[in-house]
Amino acid sequence: QVSLKESGPGILQPFQTLSLTCSFSGFSLGTSNMGVGWIRQTSGKGLEYLATIWWDDDKYFNPSLNSRLTVSKDTSNNQAFLKITSVDTADTGTYYCTASGADYFDYWGQGVMVTVSS
Amino acid sequence: DIQMTQSPASLSASLGETVTIECRASEDIYNGLAWYQQKPGKSPQLLIYNANSLHTGVPSRFSGSGSGTQYSLKINSLQSEDVASYFCQQYYDYPWTFGGGTKLELK
Repeated sequence: QVSLKESGPGILQPFQTLSLTCSFSGFSLGTSNMGVGWIRQTSGKGLEYLATIWWDDDKYFNPSLNSRLTVSKDTSNNQAFLKITSVDTADTGTYYCTASGADYFDYWGQGVMVTVSS
Repeated sequence: DIQMTQSPASLSASLGETVTIECRASEDIYNGLAWYQQKPGKSPQLLIYNANSLHTGVPSRFSGSGSGTQYSLKINSLQSEDVASYFCQQYYDYPWTFGGGTKLELK
């Protein structure tokens, strides 16, 4: 059974770096064709695809945030990570990690709410 | 980026009714389309992929169809647990993009 759970700071100030962790079970990022995707849901843009890290360490970033995003993984510990630099209020929303065996999102975590506020 | 336009933005239907939600892409996405259901306070869940393939465990009253730029999600015999928002997503071309959603309520 696939399960994912996001964790993060909850609240941070403008210009800080957002660091999120996705802890998962039921699949391995060492398995061919598996990936962990990151999506956020904001009041301004709805569901927005951010990035994916694949089993072979290939990565894709949404060009609209490309320069601000970093993704990484710890295959041994079944974790994936997302960093967004220089956040502002537009980054406020719920962030989800997902398990992907293809280019859609098979399973989603419960989401973590992030608020950017001074 | 490929723009995904969903319609209607909201709809109200009765139990047992058949409901159809539309999704239009700004260019041909060659069936690279998924549908998700998001119940209030929950995360989205995959319903349909490849435009018409049912995800594991999804009730057969859900179905997807379409081609080119026009796709639809149909819910037969609406149940109370189907009250949710529904989103389409294209994965034909990066960056993957979502529709704005359709909020389904009971009449």
